[in-house]
Amino acid sequence: GEDVEQSLFLSVREGDSSVINCTYTDSSSTYLYWYKQEPGAGLQLLTYIFSNMDMKQDQRLTVLLNKKDKHLSLRIADTQTGDSAIYFCAERSNDYKLSFGAGTTVTVRA
Amino acid sequence: DADVTQTPRNRITKTGKRIMLECSQTKGHDRMYWYRQDPGLGLQLIYYSFDVKDINKGEISDGYSVSRQAQAKFSLSLESAIPNQTALYFCATSDFGSGGDSYEQYFGPGTRLTVT
Repeated sequence: GEDVEQSLFLSVREGDSSVINCTYTDSSSTYLYWYKQEPGAGLQLLTYIFSNMDMKQDQRLTVLLNKKDKHLSLRIADTQTGDSAIYFCAERSNDYKLSFGAGTTVTVRA
Repeated sequence: DADVTQTPRNRITKTGKRIMLECSQTKGHDRMYWYRQDPGLGLQLIYYSFDVKDINKGEISDGYSVSRQAQAKFSLSLESAIPNQTALYFCATSDFGSGGDSYEQYFGPGTRLTVT
C-alpha cells in the first residue's frame, strides 16, 4: 500500500522561506499534490507536479521532486501570516485514488 | 454557492445511534469520495464511487456504509455510532479528466462529528 510521511510542525518567521518535506513509497505515483487546509475549511489544491518533472514553480511556490529518493518538497517564498495552515502532501497511484500524509502545521510568527 | 456542500456541518450524537452525513456537488463530476480526518493521521479514505453504480471500499470502511443516490449526491452512514468515530469527515469530488488534467479532488467544508 501507499505510505506518505511528512513532519507534523513547522514554525517560520514572517518574510522567511518555508520548506515542507514529504516522502512517499509508491514508485508508480503519477501525480503528487500539495493541499492547504485553513482552520474550519476543507482542503484546497495549492499545486501539483507530474512524476516526469523535477521542479515546478508557481509564483511564491516551488515544488521539487526527487523520484530516486521519493522525496517531494514545497517551498513558500516570503512567507506571510495568511500562509499559516496545515499542508498535506498526497500521491496519486495509477488507480486514481489519493493517499495523504498526516499534514504539516505551519505557524508563521511575526 | 459552494461547489461541494456537506450537511450537517456539526453533529453530536450518542453511542449506538444511526447517523447520515450528506454530500452534494454541482461540479458535474462522476467521482465522489468520503474521508475522515484525525489529528496526526491525515485523511483516510472510507469509500469512493466512480459513478452511480460503482462503489468501492477504502482503507477504513468498517462501521460505515454509503449510498450514491445520484451523480450529484453521495451520503455516508454510521449504522451504530461509536466514540472512536469522532472525527472530521470530508466529501470530495473529481472528474475523470482528459488531456493533462491533474485529476484534482475538490473538497467540501467538512462535517465535525462527535460521538458521546
